[in-house]
Amino acid sequence: QLVLTQSPSASASLGASVKLTCTLSSGHSSYAIAWHQQQPEKGPRYLMKLNSDGSHSKGDGIPDRFSGSSSGAERYLTISSLQSEDEADYYCQTWGTGIGVFGGGTKLTVL
Amino acid sequence: EVQLVQSGAEVKKPGESLKISCKGSGYSFTSYWIGWVRQMPGKGLEWMGIIYPGDSDTRYSPSFQGQVTISADKSISTAYLQWSSLKASDTAMYYCARLTVVTLDWYFDLWGRGTLVTVSS
Repeated sequence: QLVLTQSPSASASLGASVKLTCTLSSGHSSYAIAWHQQQPEKGPRYLMKLNSDGSHSKGDGIPDRFSGSSSGAERYLTISSLQSEDEADYYCQTWGTGIGVFGGGTKLTVL
Repeated sequence: EVQLVQSGAEVKKPGESLKISCKGSGYSFTSYWIGWVRQMPGKGLEWMGIIYPGDSDTRYSPSFQGQVTISADKSISTAYLQWSSLKASDTAMYYCARLTVVTLDWYFDLWGRGTLVTVSS
């Protein structure tokens, strides 16, 4: 069964960097995912599509501070030079055989 | 501007019917799948189903099959999500999103702002 696993929470200081992780379930390590950001009281925003080889394509207007990388079944979202507006929920998403899947989301707190 | 514009918030009573909409503009509406995503209060995102407006091919998450109906009118670039008999547990924010397909990779790359549905007696 295709499952995406995310840590429920993360925190980092203003101006620092943070790396969020999304783990694909066994047998699905070749899958691409997408990262989405949801700021408080707002709808989700597409950040990037991330392939298994670490290549990624970002959505329009997404700052260079956001980048993606991959290792095995893990997909990472790195945010550098953290700003207050980066405090948000971050979701990974992929697609199985006719089935869409979201991770449970990671709530990022900027200290 | 490429965007999805959703209909406004709704307040309904249990047992009532409802149809909410999502209008696409700035791109070829019939060339992309549109998906619906539920977010219950304080919870994460759940995929409900998708429709391809070009031919109305529709697929549902097993969790939502039989509970909702997804449709589209390509002549007005609009997708719909409807309920025949609402329950209090349908109270949630509902988002539509455009689905892009690249080889075997399917991902949402454009989101609407959401429609809040409140079901209360």
